[in-house]
Amino acid sequence: NAGVTQTPKFRILKIGQSMTLQCTQDMNHNYMYWYRQDPGMGLKLIYYSVGAGITDKGEVPNGYNVSRSTTEDFPLRLELAAPSQTSVYFCASSYTQGATNEKLFFGSGTQLSVL
Amino acid sequence: DQQVKQNSPSLSVQEGRISILNCDYTNSMFDYFLWYKKYPAEGPTFLISISSIKDKNEDGRFTVFLNKSAKHLSLHIVPSQPGDSAVYFCAASRYNNNDMRFGAGTRLTVKP
Repeated sequence: NAGVTQTPKFRILKIGQSMTLQCTQDMNHNYMYWYRQDPGMGLKLIYYSVGAGITDKGEVPNGYNVSRSTTEDFPLRLELAAPSQTSVYFCASSYTQGATNEKLFFGSGTQLSVL
Repeated sequence: DQQVKQNSPSLSVQEGRISILNCDYTNSMFDYFLWYKKYPAEGPTFLISISSIKDKNEDGRFTVFLNKSAKHLSLHIVPSQPGDSAVYFCAASRYNNNDMRFGAGTRLTVKP
């Protein structure tokens, strides 16, 4: 059982480049999330989705876009990468709403450097 | 605005002893608290949780205590084992809100 799978694991981008971080889950979870973790900081929510076709902003959405065309996939798009987007990105999913007593299942993360 | 704080970046304990990891929060609206454990090159995994209607929850060697008046929770690991060495994140959430807030983590090292 794969759980939540993220690709790539590592990526170096030049300033101004774009890329898509892929996330897929095989647990048939309705809710999916993207977090970023900066050094010495807690995870911060970028975007989340409550089901296919429905997405919403989290705490730090600027510079990112998401889409949710299927239950399984929740890609995160970075447009015009900036050094401030250097971070570790985690995708997560949960069966029900993440904040109502439901634990999150995380992917292994993508370490992104923007130089 | 860091609403969940883990003020100890690291903690080192001897195998067999108790590990106590602390977490403070500022938002009195939080009503559910979780601890996640993270090994290098892996994502966080759920460890234990507690609802605000309780002050203690136990699962094997892991116990979480909640002090609502002090806005403080702690994770006790007894006895500590070398395999417990990891980064532990405290998280908090509000009912019907998707923005779970995380602390910065505490790196626990359990020495054999």
